[in-house]
Amino acid sequence: DSGVTQTPKHLITATGQRVTLRCSPRSGDLSVYWYQQSLDQGLQFLIQYYNGEERAKGNILERFSAQQFPDLHSELNLSSLELGDSALYFCASNLAGGREQYFGPGTRLTVT
Amino acid sequence: AQSVTQPDIHITVSEGASLELRCNYSYGATPYLFWYVQSPGQGLQLLLKYFSGDTLVQGIKGFEAEFKRSQSSFNLRKPSVHWSDAAEYFCAVAPGDNAGNMLTFGGGTRLMVKP
Repeated sequence: DSGVTQTPKHLITATGQRVTLRCSPRSGDLSVYWYQQSLDQGLQFLIQYYNGEERAKGNILERFSAQQFPDLHSELNLSSLELGDSALYFCASNLAGGREQYFGPGTRLTVT
Repeated sequence: AQSVTQPDIHITVSEGASLELRCNYSYGATPYLFWYVQSPGQGLQLLLKYFSGDTLVQGIKGFEAEFKRSQSSFNLRKPSVHWSDAAEYFCAVAPGDNAGNMLTFGGGTRLMVKP
């Protein structure tokens, strides 16, 4: 158990809908990262937050957004969902200035 | 931009045999290097990391990896594989400077273990 929690574990929704994925980092970690794992794209970095502020952006679509709250949990919002958004979404966290990231169990999103 | 290549998509080894999984990276400077393992339906677990210093690093579950700067490689090894090692293995890099902590992953190597 990495100490990073993600909810829900599974999510099934229809095209055009909007969903919110939640992540709670390890105790004491200030940075949260979101990654997408799909069969065709592999594991891709989406976005990083550090202590409530956006720190880095990767291959994140404009339909996707994220935020980190004062209690350091983070939410990834996915809107106008398409079939191709079906994937496993991971959250990771680490200590400020640390390099190794600790991953949550992921949320499997299925868009039908 | 950095990139990571894992040339072997699938590898099958017999239980008790040795294992080497290959990883090559492309980056202007020396990055931070990692190996993660993903069991079916699970998240990613950190096996080991290299930041600097001794180029042979030890990790959990009996794994080790060697950083070779001249070959831009960070291969993962285990002297004797157990059936429970069957999983997918990912090599990853992060910038070794202040450019950010985001990880760039290789495509993964799926390890199967024969009894």
